[in-house]
Amino acid sequence: AQKITQTQPGMFVQEKEAVTLDCTYDTSDPSYGLFWYKQPSSGEMIFLIYQGSYDQQNATEGRYSLNFQKARKSANLVISASQLGDSAMYFCAMRDKYGGATNKLIFGTGTLLAVQP
Amino acid sequence: NAGVTQTPKFQVLKTGQSMTLQCAQDMNHEYMSWYRQDPGMGLRLIHYSVGAGITDQGEVPNGYNVSRSTTEDFPLRLLSAAPSQTSVYFCASSYSRTIETQYFGPGTRLLVL
Repeated sequence: AQKITQTQPGMFVQEKEAVTLDCTYDTSDPSYGLFWYKQPSSGEMIFLIYQGSYDQQNATEGRYSLNFQKARKSANLVISASQLGDSAMYFCAMRDKYGGATNKLIFGTGTLLAVQP
Repeated sequence: NAGVTQTPKFQVLKTGQSMTLQCAQDMNHEYMSWYRQDPGMGLRLIHYSVGAGITDQGEVPNGYNVSRSTTEDFPLRLLSAAPSQTSVYFCASSYSRTIETQYFGPGTRLLVL
């Protein structure tokens, strides 16, 4: 069965430092997509970054990058130069069965990041 | 574009009451879905729709109904609310079932007493 695991319930990071949020996944489907979403205290889900299983290069979006290690089935989010506004819950998610009947996302339990001044 | 909108933002119900959570998108997205988010858990898929007139169940569909009469709207109905349905409900949409990025609404916080 498809599964996303986030082993860090919470993390602290100093402002301006880089931080890595861990995510491992399990799927038997060779074609899948991996996502990171940010959920601030206001509650909305904000899309950050996407990595496809066949993408040759790691995805980057501004200060966000995805460290994709396919053999290890990990898709860690790296936030460079942390800002106070990065304090939020971060969810890793996977979409499997690319091209199948559903665009269902499977979510991890989240990591709460606190950026300290 | 307003994106994905949800109403109401907050709702309190008594056990056994029914209600409809509204979701609308103005991006002409084919694919829409409903998730619920419970403490300590990620989001779980309730129902989804791949286009007007087509709906299907997700992983936690019991106690909920959906319909998709237009491309824009995808309401979620609670038939007889139960305390176990206390949750935060998110509606999401994407251009199609094969386009990766889903965009989420702001959520509806529901409390069932």
